[in-house]
Amino acid sequence: GEDVEQSLFLSVREGDSSVINCTYTDSSSTYLYWYKQEPGAGLQLLTYIFSNMDMKQDQRLTVLLNKKDKHLSLRIADTQTGDSAIYFCAASETSYDKVIFGPGTSLSVIP
Amino acid sequence: DTGVSQNPRHKITKRGQNVTFRCDPISEHNRLYWYRQTLGQGPEFLTYFQNEAQLEKSRLLSDRFSAERPKGSFSTLEIQRTEQGDSAMYLCASSPSGGRDGYTFGSGTRLTVV
Repeated sequence: GEDVEQSLFLSVREGDSSVINCTYTDSSSTYLYWYKQEPGAGLQLLTYIFSNMDMKQDQRLTVLLNKKDKHLSLRIADTQTGDSAIYFCAASETSYDKVIFGPGTSLSVIP
Repeated sequence: DTGVSQNPRHKITKRGQNVTFRCDPISEHNRLYWYRQTLGQGPEFLTYFQNEAQLEKSRLLSDRFSAERPKGSFSTLEIQRTEQGDSAMYLCASSPSGGRDGYTFGSGTRLTVV
């Protein structure tokens, strides 16, 4: 089955860019997601990318996909203290299939 | 629509007791998913429904766990004979058919087994 891996911690200074990396194992994963979880809150979908895309940009967020290496990254430009949260990479084979989550990357933004 | 609603928010129970959680999905969403999240981990898939049909169950879902969605609307997750290892956040999510926009998650039910 699918396995999703992420680095567990990232610390950046306010105003810098953050890059969170993720790898997945199942080449049949077609939908790749980034979710955000703030303390005490549920998971919020940030963005997603289809496997036939290399890049997707959405305001301060840029997702890059290297399908050959099964590597996904999330870049947050001009990181703010409000971006401090846990970011989960996730993958599924279809838009309605179960989604497999990584362990999450805890992003700390230093003022 | 107020999103995905889960009740209760918190549940403390003694080991060996049975507990039941409820999830009310977004009304037009016909797919409903249950996940479990422990501290420092990502959500782990438990089971999902399309309408009232339970389409897949994870091996994590032992025979002490049962989920239902009797009329294709709300769902319940029951844990019988709770164990301390069942302590976790239980998350419910819903999506429409062909929901390429990912799930909408509820805030979860935190279970503590003492």
